[in-house]
Amino acid sequence: GESVGLHLPTLSVQEGDNSIINCAYSNSASDYFIWYKQESGKGPQFIIDIRSNMDKRQGQRVTVLLNKTVKHLSLQIAATQPGDSAVYFCAGYNAGNMLTFGGGTRLMVKP
Amino acid sequence: DVKVTQSSRYLVKRTGEKVFLECVQDMDHENMFWYRQDPGLGLRLIYFSYDVKMKEKGDIPEGYSVSREKKERFSLILESASTNQTSMYLCASSFSGPTSGSGSDTQYFGPGTRLTVL
Repeated sequence: GESVGLHLPTLSVQEGDNSIINCAYSNSASDYFIWYKQESGKGPQFIIDIRSNMDKRQGQRVTVLLNKTVKHLSLQIAATQPGDSAVYFCAGYNAGNMLTFGGGTRLMVKP
Repeated sequence: DVKVTQSSRYLVKRTGEKVFLECVQDMDHENMFWYRQDPGLGLRLIYFSYDVKMKEKGDIPEGYSVSREKKERFSLILESASTNQTSMYLCASSFSGPTSGSGSDTQYFGPGTRLTVL
């Protein structure tokens, strides 16, 4: 079955540094992935998505990279700010076309 | 912008009570979803709906039911609340999805309802 998992439960970075959050998936047929940001006490907020016909997609200060060969995607946040502190989830569609979520990585930004 | 709203941010109920959680989206999305989120377990799908009056069980439907009388509104019902239903409940909607045939689309989430059952 599909599983979408994150490598690290917690990531601590210095303010101004770049952050990289990783995610692995198991279903090679997955064709669409989403990154969400969830701040404490709030619902997940869409950040960026990528389809399997792309290797890279950029947004404002965020970049998602997709490596289909090793079934891995990452979220890169440039110049990390205190407001980026949150839990980040990757999500992907499984064989049943249902969205499956990773467990989440907590990003902590040190001033 | 997509807006998904939930009727309550915090709710406290007693064991055995009937609980209604309401969700409304304003983007004319066909698909709506109810999840619960628990520490260490991530988001788990309870029920979803891809059309008015249609509903499908998710991964953990036991103890819950849903209602979709109007396209914009999706209600989650706990017929007899129990303490193990204490959780964060998240509603989401999407423009296309499980039955679209054309693939997948982004799910947009509401702010969540933190339910405590005493």
